[in-house]
Amino acid sequence: QVQLQESGPGLVKPSETLSLTCTVTGGSTSSYYWTWIRQPPGKGLESIGYIHYTGSANYNPSLKSRVTMSVDTSKNQFSLKLRSMTAADTAVYYCARGTEQYVDYWGQGTLVTVSS
Amino acid sequence: DIQMTQSPSSLSASVGDRVTITCRASQSIRSFLNWYQQKPGKAPKLLIYVASSLQSGVPSRFSGSGSGTDFILTISSLQPEDFATYYCQQSYSHPATFGQGTKVEIK
Repeated sequence: QVQLQESGPGLVKPSETLSLTCTVTGGSTSSYYWTWIRQPPGKGLESIGYIHYTGSANYNPSLKSRVTMSVDTSKNQFSLKLRSMTAADTAVYYCARGTEQYVDYWGQGTLVTVSS
Repeated sequence: DIQMTQSPSSLSASVGDRVTITCRASQSIRSFLNWYQQKPGKAPKLLIYVASSLQSGVPSRFSGSGSGTDFILTISSLQPEDFATYYCQQSYSHPATFGQGTKVEIK
């Protein structure tokens, strides 16, 4: 059974960079697409982007200038960096596995709060 | 971006009821439409992919239909564990976008 687990800080100061890592167990990052999705408290879901196991990435244009994703197949991990954080970036951040058509396995999510 | 609009935003239903949720895309997305279920404090769970394919392990009371711009999620006989929020998602074009969600509550 594929499992994903997000790790990273729960609190980030405004203007700082968020760094999250997703560790995959029960499966390999040497295939599939690896995705980040976020959900502000009490609101809907927003796709941040995804990275293919080959390293090719595709970001949401609304966040593209601030986002970098990477994948480390040797560690079975993939990562998200989101720069210049503001209060509007406060959300639960999910890592997930998918294909080009859908997302089938999700991490439990990690709440990131932006506050000084 | 393609806009996804779900209706209703919320509904109240009883155990055993047949429930339908509609999702409309702002342009044709062929059959690239997925449905997810989310319970409070939990990650979404994939129910239906490419409009009508049932994800492995999902009960057969869930079904999906539609193509182009209009799609429907049907729960044939609502069970207590089905009370949750349901989201549609288009994967036809980047970025993938979600509907605003439909909350299914106990009547």
